[in-house]
Amino acid sequence: GAGVSQTPSNKVTEKGKYVELRCDPISGHTALYWYRQSLGQGPEFLIYFQGTGAADDSGLPNDRFFAVRPEGSVSTLKIQRTERGDSAVYLCASSLTGDSPLHFGNGTRLTVT
Amino acid sequence: AQSVTQLDSQVPVFEEAPVELRCNYSSSVSVYLFWYVQYPNQGLQLLLKYLSGSTLVKGINGFEAEFNKSQTSFHLRKPSVHISDTAEYFCAVRWTGGGNKLTFGTGTQLKVEL
Repeated sequence: GAGVSQTPSNKVTEKGKYVELRCDPISGHTALYWYRQSLGQGPEFLIYFQGTGAADDSGLPNDRFFAVRPEGSVSTLKIQRTERGDSAVYLCASSLTGDSPLHFGNGTRLTVT
Repeated sequence: AQSVTQLDSQVPVFEEAPVELRCNYSSSVSVYLFWYVQYPNQGLQLLLKYLSGSTLVKGINGFEAEFNKSQTSFHLRKPSVHISDTAEYFCAVRWTGGGNKLTFGTGTQLKVEL
């Protein structure tokens, strides 16, 4: 069946611009996670949604980062005033419940020039 | 802060040889442990997990891992590797009471050679 889908697969933007990254989780999965993977590093947790609400946003690095999941399905990660240090692969994962194994998408590679 | 350590950034190995990828974590409180594999240009896939019970867990593609509480380790092993096992392997830990987030290690690149 369909897995976690992330769009776009690649995004190049200029410093200072605003970007939105989209995640379509597996149908029926109530939990959704965003992670960021910098070059040579493991994924770092950003935020976790259970349904429509953010249950844990402790990994968001600063107030330029924001994520929503208004209908409990698709989620959008929003980054304002992008900086070169934001360049990374942004990974989305979903799970059936909060305790179930995570299924990851292929990620969005964000490059800030 | 709780952390996950994968000491080996790269592990070269010949095909059909055994391999062990090491993973240690920082705290001895209750944990759930995972190994993920990432093939080039693909997303992370779950290889195996330890939640409770037997300390030796078996996963997909012939991999297994052993949870050692006293040494706070969860090393990944395969008795005979194949070229197709070439990939990046990540150890991840979820601390009970720490919410649902996973903390990942920095990864080990396994390169299988003929």
